[in-house]
Amino acid sequence: DAGITQSPRHKVTETGTPVTLRCHQTENHRYMYWYRQDPGHGLRLIHYSYGVKDTDKGEVSDGYSVSRSKTEDFLLTLESATSSQTSVYFCATSAGQGNTEAFFGQGTRLTVV
Amino acid sequence: AQTVTQSQPEMSVQEAETVTLSCTYDTSESDYYLFWYKQPPSRQMILVIRQEAYKQQNATENRFSVNFQKAAKSFSLKISDSQLGDAAMYFCAYRRLAGGTSYGKLTFGQGTILTVHP
Repeated sequence: DAGITQSPRHKVTETGTPVTLRCHQTENHRYMYWYRQDPGHGLRLIHYSYGVKDTDKGEVSDGYSVSRSKTEDFLLTLESATSSQTSVYFCATSAGQGNTEAFFGQGTRLTVV
Repeated sequence: AQTVTQSQPEMSVQEAETVTLSCTYDTSESDYYLFWYKQPPSRQMILVIRQEAYKQQNATENRFSVNFQKAAKSFSLKISDSQLGDAAMYFCAYRRLAGGTSYGKLTFGQGTILTVHP
């Protein structure tokens, strides 16, 4: 299994507070992704990165920002958490595109109260 | 944009029997990749099987096989000799061909919860 670690694994936060989720990989994969999983929606892409300091928006990026200052770390920030951002967040990495397998972290369950 | 649809929110099967999970997708591209992922209660995402759209032969991995119908844009997963450990959420996913603005992004279906009865 690819070495992908998400932190924290669980978090409860209050509406309006900033939250940062961290994804750390030891595989030197070029591509990194943040998805959120919600019932009835499957996994949806929030942001992705195709290299250090190279990031772009996914389909549900509103209210989220990301940063990637090193190959191994990809941070997801909720600037001002809302209840609609209560979800399970997954980080994924891939060495390449196309048929290359994507590897997932264990997920972070975030609850905004 | 590509879309992936799994129309079966839940399915159930008896142990040792066969079950088929459905997936349809919409794309204007001629070459792409399709995947099935398994998510057990541990939440870990596990790749089950993958299919290259340019290959006519259906992919198989032990008890797991797919029925890929390119013209119909259908990609179903067949699980033979079902085991209790197969109980999980299953996601169908689409990925564009490498290059351009693909960046390896995956588009997922809504998921199907599979229950296996002993």
